[in-house]
Amino acid sequence: DAGITQSPRHKVTETGTPVTLRCHQTENHRYMYWYRQDPGHGLRLIHYSYGVKDTDKGEVSDGYSVSRSKTEDFLLTLESATSSQTSVYFCAISEGGGNQPQHFGDGTRLSIL
Amino acid sequence: GENVEQHPSTLSVQEGDSAVIKCTYSDSASNYFPWYKQELGKRPQLIIDIRSNVGEKKDQRIAVTLNKTAKHFSLHITETQPEDSAVYFCAASRGGNNRLAFGKGNQVVVIP
Repeated sequence: DAGITQSPRHKVTETGTPVTLRCHQTENHRYMYWYRQDPGHGLRLIHYSYGVKDTDKGEVSDGYSVSRSKTEDFLLTLESATSSQTSVYFCAISEGGGNQPQHFGDGTRLSIL
Repeated sequence: GENVEQHPSTLSVQEGDSAVIKCTYSDSASNYFPWYKQELGKRPQLIIDIRSNVGEKKDQRIAVTLNKTAKHFSLHITETQPEDSAVYFCAASRGGNNRLAFGKGNQVVVIP
């Protein structure tokens, strides 16, 4: 299994609070991705990174920001969490871009009350 | 951008029978097509992938076929077993910094 660690694995917080999720990889892969998974919507890309300090938006980026200061770490921040951001968040990594296999972490279940 | 659709949304098969899931994509420039399996409460796991220069790929009981003209690709599972019960996601990408576009998933239920 790819060396991907997501933290925390579970979190419950209140509307309006900031939340940061962390993805840590030990594979030295260039690309890292954040997805959210909701019933009926499959996996939707929030943001991705193609190198240190190089990031871009995905299809559902509103309300989220990301940072990548080191190859191994990709952070997802909800500046002011809303109930609509309750979801399961998955990090993924790949050696290359969109035409290379992506491997997923175990996910973070986030509940915003 | 790329749009991927999966059919049927739910598929029930008797143990030992074959299961086929079909995906269609919209971007004729897409050249990479992976399939993921996700068991309840677990992460999506890559089970097989195919590139546009290949028409078919097999790995034990699973295979994927690609029809570039019709813009669809299919996952075939033979001799299904209860542990094949899961949600299966297809995806497509044209590579580079272009995103991997996922379908909404198919629930496969293998009935013992």
